[in-house]
Amino acid sequence: GQQLNQSPQSMFIQEGEDVSMNCTSSSIFNTWLWYKQEPGEGPVLLIALYKAGELTSNGRLTAQFGITRKDSFLNISASIPSDVGIYFCAGRAGNQFYFGTGTSLTVIP
Amino acid sequence: NAGVTQTPKFRILKIGQSMTLQCAQDMNHNYMYWYRQDPGMGLKLIYYSVGAGITDKGEVPNGYNVSRSTTEDFPLRLELAAPSQTSVYFCASSPPGGRGYTFGSGTRLTVV
Repeated sequence: GQQLNQSPQSMFIQEGEDVSMNCTSSSIFNTWLWYKQEPGEGPVLLIALYKAGELTSNGRLTAQFGITRKDSFLNISASIPSDVGIYFCAGRAGNQFYFGTGTSLTVIP
Repeated sequence: NAGVTQTPKFRILKIGQSMTLQCAQDMNHNYMYWYRQDPGMGLKLIYYSVGAGITDKGEVPNGYNVSRSTTEDFPLRLELAAPSQTSVYFCASSPPGGRGYTFGSGTRLTVV
């Protein structure tokens, strides 16, 4: 299957700090999605990107579809305690989505 | 809006037993998917369907079967449960292209 490398694996940050995480692939994708998953819940879609170079915001979250179509970035500004969770990237090739292994975010009040 | 509904939420199976994980969506989405998520890992696609009567294997289909007789329902069948199938199973649905890709809340399965 497709390999998506997501980094960092985990982050421990102070409340108010900005967060950056990224996802890279050896393959080209047509769509990039970013999800957040909280314990015991299914992933919830945060941002969807459909064009190379696209930059999209959702509140304090901003994501970009890399120009090469092999990577994507997610930034969270001014983190708050409820940002805690695991963030997954997913790339679409054909009819399938492939998921990264996740970035676990801990926000220290 | 119910979105994607999965049942049951939890289940314990003995080795060799069979069961069906149910998934239903009320958004009239053509595409439906089954994933498994192992501890500390990302999601792995088991099977997917692009419409009623059409199913395809994903990355990890062995030990599972699916059917799609209606647009709304996409059950996942385990015929001979094995400990390696202990995982959290997520169903998802989307229109073509991926906009509005929505997950259910998951089924936690333990095989002992």
